[in-house]
Amino acid sequence: GEDVEQSLFLSVREGDSSVINCTYTDSSSTYLYWYKQEPGAGLQLLTYIFSNMDMKQDQRLTVLLNKKDKHLSLRIADTQTGDSAIYFCAESVGGNKLTFGTGTQLKVEL
Amino acid sequence: DTAVSQTPKYLVTQMGNDKSIKCEQNLGHDTMYWYKQDSKKFLKIMFSYNNKELIINETVPNRFSPKSPDKAHLNLHINSLELGDSAVYFCASSPTAGELFFGEGSRLTVL
Repeated sequence: GEDVEQSLFLSVREGDSSVINCTYTDSSSTYLYWYKQEPGAGLQLLTYIFSNMDMKQDQRLTVLLNKKDKHLSLRIADTQTGDSAIYFCAESVGGNKLTFGTGTQLKVEL
Repeated sequence: DTAVSQTPKYLVTQMGNDKSIKCEQNLGHDTMYWYKQDSKKFLKIMFSYNNKELIINETVPNRFSPKSPDKAHLNLHINSLELGDSAVYFCASSPTAGELFFGEGSRLTVL
C-alpha cells in the first residue's frame, strides 16, 4: 500500500521545538521528503532523506527515519511564526511518482 | 521570471461547462505533473508527463484530459464539470523523482 499518514494539527509556542510525525506503509521507499505549504501557495521542498540513512540535519531542521517502524519525523528547532504552514511528508518508491501524506497544520503561537 | 506558472489562478464556473488550466515551466525540467488538492488539503497525483510522453495516469475520470505540446507546457482540460471537481489544481515540474517544483495553484469552484 501507499498510505502515508500524519497527525492533522500541531500547535507550539514560538522558540520551542516542533516535531511532526509521519508513518508510511511501503517499505521499498527509496527517498522520503518533507514539503512545506504556506497559505495560498504551492508546496516547497524543505529536505529529504535517503532510505539507508537514519538522520539528516539541515540548519534548524532534523529528519529522523526509523525504517523498521516505517516512521519519519521532522524536527524544527527554535520554531518561528514564519514556520506556520502545512507540512507534508512524501515517499518516492520508484519512477517519477511521489505519494504525499495527509499533511500537518503547524500553528506557532506567540 | 516565475519558475512554474499556472493560469488562471481562480476559476468559477457552472456545472456542465468545460474549462482548461494552463501550466508552463522555465526550469528546463523534463517531467511535469498535475496534482489535485481537495478541501481537506489531501494531495493526489493525477497525471505525469516526461518529455511530452504520458507516464503516470492515475484513476482519473476521462473527463480530464492533459495535453503537453512541448516539455515546458502541460495543460489540463476538464469536460462536463461536476461539483466534486472543485479543488485546487497544482502543476509541478521536476528534474528528478521527488524534487518537485510547484506552481501557485489554480482554485476551481464549480457551482
